[in-house]
Amino acid sequence: NAGVTQTPKFQVLKTGQSMTLQCAQDMNHNSMYWYRQDPGMGLRLIYYSASEGTTDKGEVPNGYNVSRLNKREFSLRLESAAPSQTSVYFCASRRPSGTLTFDGELFFGEGSRLTVL
Amino acid sequence: QKEVEQDPGPLSVPEGAIVSLNCTYSNSAFQYFMWYRQYSRKGPELLMYTYSSGNKEDGRFTAQVDKSSKYISLFIRDSQPSDSATYLCAMKRGGSYIPTFGRGTSLIVHP
Repeated sequence: NAGVTQTPKFQVLKTGQSMTLQCAQDMNHNSMYWYRQDPGMGLRLIYYSASEGTTDKGEVPNGYNVSRLNKREFSLRLESAAPSQTSVYFCASRRPSGTLTFDGELFFGEGSRLTVL
Repeated sequence: QKEVEQDPGPLSVPEGAIVSLNCTYSNSAFQYFMWYRQYSRKGPELLMYTYSSGNKEDGRFTAQVDKSSKYISLFIRDSQPSDSATYLCAMKRGGSYIPTFGRGTSLIVHP
């Protein structure tokens, strides 16, 4: 059971280049999230998707776009990368509500480390 | 002022010590309080959660919530080098699925 898988794990970009971070989960979760983590800033929400076909902005959406391709996959795109987007990016998913287990837990991938020069 | 405040540390303790990690918050609507553990170069994993006020114990770990003071704590007894990690508090309102995270506290337990 792989859980949440992110690719690539590492990437170096030049300013102005574009790229897409991929995320897939195999837990049949409805909700998926993209966070960035910077030293001293904690986890900040970029975008989330409550269910297939819906996406909403989080705290820091500027410079990013997302696509909820299907229930399993949620991608994050940087159209024109900037040095301020150097960060570690985490994808997460959440199990559906309505079960007896705690539905507030987020399951995270291992992160994608992005450097923009 | 951030909704959730957490001292980033690092907190360095000897093996066997009792560790206290804390967060304060300003939003009185928060009802669920969580602690995530994040090892170096890994994603965070849920360690414990509590609902409303009170204590919850799981092995060497105890989570404590004081809603009147808007203060939560995680205690680790008999700390081990394997406990060395960053601990992030998180909290959310009932019915919301967007938790608010603290900055995380880096804990180092040295042998």
